[in-house]
Amino acid sequence: GENVEQHPSTLSVQEGDSAVIKCTYSDSASNYFPWYKQELGKGPQLIIDIRSNVGEKKDQRIAVTLNKTAKHFSLHITETQPEDSAVYFCAASLSKTTFGDGTTLTVKP
Amino acid sequence: GAVVSQHPSRVICKSGTSVKIECRSLDFQATTMFWYRQFPKQSLMLMATSNEGSKATYEQGVEKDKFLINHASLTLSTLTVTSAHPEDSSFYICSAQEGQGTYEQYFGPGTRLTVT
Repeated sequence: GENVEQHPSTLSVQEGDSAVIKCTYSDSASNYFPWYKQELGKGPQLIIDIRSNVGEKKDQRIAVTLNKTAKHFSLHITETQPEDSAVYFCAASLSKTTFGDGTTLTVKP
Repeated sequence: GAVVSQHPSRVICKSGTSVKIECRSLDFQATTMFWYRQFPKQSLMLMATSNEGSKATYEQGVEKDKFLINHASLTLSTLTVTSAHPEDSSFYICSAQEGQGTYEQYFGPGTRLTVT
């Protein structure tokens, strides 16, 4: 089955700095790669996604890149704000979605 | 759009009792719903996939007789934890997918189950 590895497990940045979270996947057939933000005690919220026929996608301060050959994809958050602090999960999907272990992002004011 | 609700948000029950959790898609029809379980500081683990009108598909290691899933309509799926034990205490989250051929999953807010 699919295996998704995510790192780092924790990330601390100063407000205004950029944050990068990286994931690798094992199944080359996976074709959809969403990123979720989860705040404490809440369900995950889809923040951005990318399909396998696209290399990069951007939505305001958030961008995702995908390298199909290397089977890795990354989340980039620019101009971080304290409200960006949360746990972020990457995932890879074909018929089923497999999640990474999560990254706890802390943005210090 | 794409709002998924869960009820209850928190439940405490005694060991040996059963608990039902509801998952509703409020503004779209969900042909597929998923049930996940999440332990503290861990990732989401898929328990089962349910399609409207058919039996749920359970992941390996998930007891179908213990975790009963019903997806009777395009907007409602229920998870019943039968004969709950303290080790069933967890955060249960559902998600819904609109239509076939779409990928996006929209998650509910989760249900915190505590079994005493």
